[in-house]
Amino acid sequence: ELKVEQNPLFLSMQEGKNYTIYCNYSTTSDRLYWYRQDPGKSLESLFVLLSNGAVKQEGRLMASLDTKARLSTLHITAAVHDLSATYFCAVRNAGKSTFGDGTTLTVKP
Amino acid sequence: GAVVSQHPSWVICKSGTSVKIECRSLDFQATTMFWYRQFPKQSLMLMATSNEGSKATYEQGVEKDKFLINHASLTLSTLTVTSAHPEDSSFYICSAEQGAYGYTFGSGTRLTVV
Repeated sequence: ELKVEQNPLFLSMQEGKNYTIYCNYSTTSDRLYWYRQDPGKSLESLFVLLSNGAVKQEGRLMASLDTKARLSTLHITAAVHDLSATYFCAVRNAGKSTFGDGTTLTVKP
Repeated sequence: GAVVSQHPSWVICKSGTSVKIECRSLDFQATTMFWYRQFPKQSLMLMATSNEGSKATYEQGVEKDKFLINHASLTLSTLTVTSAHPEDSSFYICSAEQGAYGYTFGSGTRLTVV
């Protein structure tokens, strides 16, 4: 059974600071996804990572994938309040996605 | 990019009644759609995989007779919660995959059973 572990589960940070969210998974996968969810809303796709060493960046967010370590990271640079949300990683295996528990990020002024 | 439309956005129903939720892919054909359930402050739990023209594949522990899934066309999948009870109250989300775009999610349906 594929297991996906995210940490931390809760993160409170000040504006302007940097931080990294980690996503570990237990078996091989062909794709890893990062999503953002705002309260009461559905999921918004952020990144799709397809291969070992993949790195993608959008604004203040950068995601990377190490398939050998079965680890993905979502790095936040110079956080701003608008980034406050819950972030999920999801791993695809055998055509289905398994989600991590999510990291609730709160960015304070 | 891919768009998945989900209706209704929210619904309140009485205990014992049935509720149908629709999920449409607007600008692409989706042979496979996925239905998730999310409780407050929790992650998404895959309920079932909806396959066009064939029976849905349910995850372990999900009652097939309670959560009826129909995928009659390449653009429409429906989830019917039958004989709903308060414990079925949740946020239901559908998604479909479109190649390199990855998965696109519907806007979700908040079901409250009273």
